[in-house]
Amino acid sequence: GDSVTQMEGPVTLSEEAFLTINCTYTATGYPSLFWYVQYPGEGLQLLLKATKADDKGSNKGFEATYRKETTSFHLEKGSVQVSDSAVYFCALMGAGNMLTFGGGTRLMVKP
Amino acid sequence: KAGVTQTPRYLIKTRGQQVTLSCSPISGHRSVSWYQQTPGQGLQFLFEYFSETQRNKGNFPGRFSGRQFSNSRSEMNVSTLELGDSALYLCASSLDRYDDYGYTFGSGTRLTVV
Repeated sequence: GDSVTQMEGPVTLSEEAFLTINCTYTATGYPSLFWYVQYPGEGLQLLLKATKADDKGSNKGFEATYRKETTSFHLEKGSVQVSDSAVYFCALMGAGNMLTFGGGTRLMVKP
Repeated sequence: KAGVTQTPRYLIKTRGQQVTLSCSPISGHRSVSWYQQTPGQGLQFLFEYFSETQRNKGNFPGRFSGRQFSNSRSEMNVSTLELGDSALYLCASSLDRYDDYGYTFGSGTRLTVV
């Protein structure tokens, strides 16, 4: 079945540092890929998406590129802020119209 | 445009009781899905409804059930609650089955079973 693996956290960075959160997936066919973010006490917010190979999703300075050859969708940001502290989830949507999530990566940004 | 609304936000129930959670999707969205989030198991798919029909179901016992009404609002019911059912229950809506935009999630209902 479909699965998503993302790096375990927590990831602790200083403000303005470069961020990478790795995500790889296993799926049949050509899934759509997503990054969601969850702030404390809240639900999930869609951060960015990519629906086909080589697509680059971007939003609020975050970027991720759909790499079919390496089955990856790594999240990057050039300069993180304290307000980016949250839990980030990589997810895919396959044929069943349901999201399969990775385990989540907690990001802590220190001033 | 209003987002996905889940009620109540917090709920405390006793083992053996049953509970009903409600979800109002974004206006015009016809697909509603439910997910359970726990520290141990992460985010797990419960079921999806589209036009009042359950189209997909995750690997949960029959104590977990749901339904969708003609206005696309959805309810989720858990009977004979167990301590392990304590979780954040998230509802999400999307336009239709082949929507590549993923889901818009609500803020969730946090259920505590004591």
